[in-house]
Amino acid sequence: GAVVSQHPSRVICKSGTSVKIECRSLDFQATTMFWYRQFPKQSLMLMATSNEGSKATYEQGVEKDKFLINHASLTLSTLTVTSAHPEDSSFYICSADPGGGAWETQYFGPGTRLLVL
Amino acid sequence: DQQVKQNSPSLSVQEGRISILNCDYTNSMFDYFLWYKKYPAEGPTFLISISSIKDKNEDGRFTVFLNKSAKHLSLHIVPSQPGDSAVYFCAASAISSGGSNYKLTFGKGTLLTVNP
Repeated sequence: GAVVSQHPSRVICKSGTSVKIECRSLDFQATTMFWYRQFPKQSLMLMATSNEGSKATYEQGVEKDKFLINHASLTLSTLTVTSAHPEDSSFYICSADPGGGAWETQYFGPGTRLLVL
Repeated sequence: DQQVKQNSPSLSVQEGRISILNCDYTNSMFDYFLWYKKYPAEGPTFLISISSIKDKNEDGRFTVFLNKSAKHLSLHIVPSQPGDSAVYFCAASAISSGGSNYKLTFGKGTLLTVNP
């Protein structure tokens, strides 16, 4: 099946630094990628929808200047957490949609665990 | 306010028996429902889905039932196998607040353990 990778799988950083997370679709092209955030024992919460070559669409309450999303190619989207703080510590997971309109074709990455000290 | 609720954080069943995972939702705009399965250190994988115009969808050992009036759906796995042990997420689809895409709203998940 289709594979989505994320890098890094874990990252620890100091407060005030920026962290970039990559999401790649390895064997298909993704017109749309999604970024989610999950706190312990909570749901996956959609942060933003990223369409290749255009600006991301952010969900209500998500700071676009805090969470910079770039979808420069059909196989790569990046999420940059700028000036990270301890409250940004979370599990970030991406998914990629090859298109066609069927939700079951949304493929998820393994996630990135971010810890901000 | 949680729009998709999975009230049972965990469920344990014996191999060969039926597993029933439940999900409730509050948003009447949801028009498509999905179940995802997640193993540790892996992303969720799609399992089965149902449109709001149907009340049942079956795929092998997996059946999803939708009761729109009660805003309730359930996933039945029969017979359950030890390899089914995983976290199961219920998700519902509606147009995102940005207006240009559909988005998925997930429940918190239910950890299913199937004992040999």
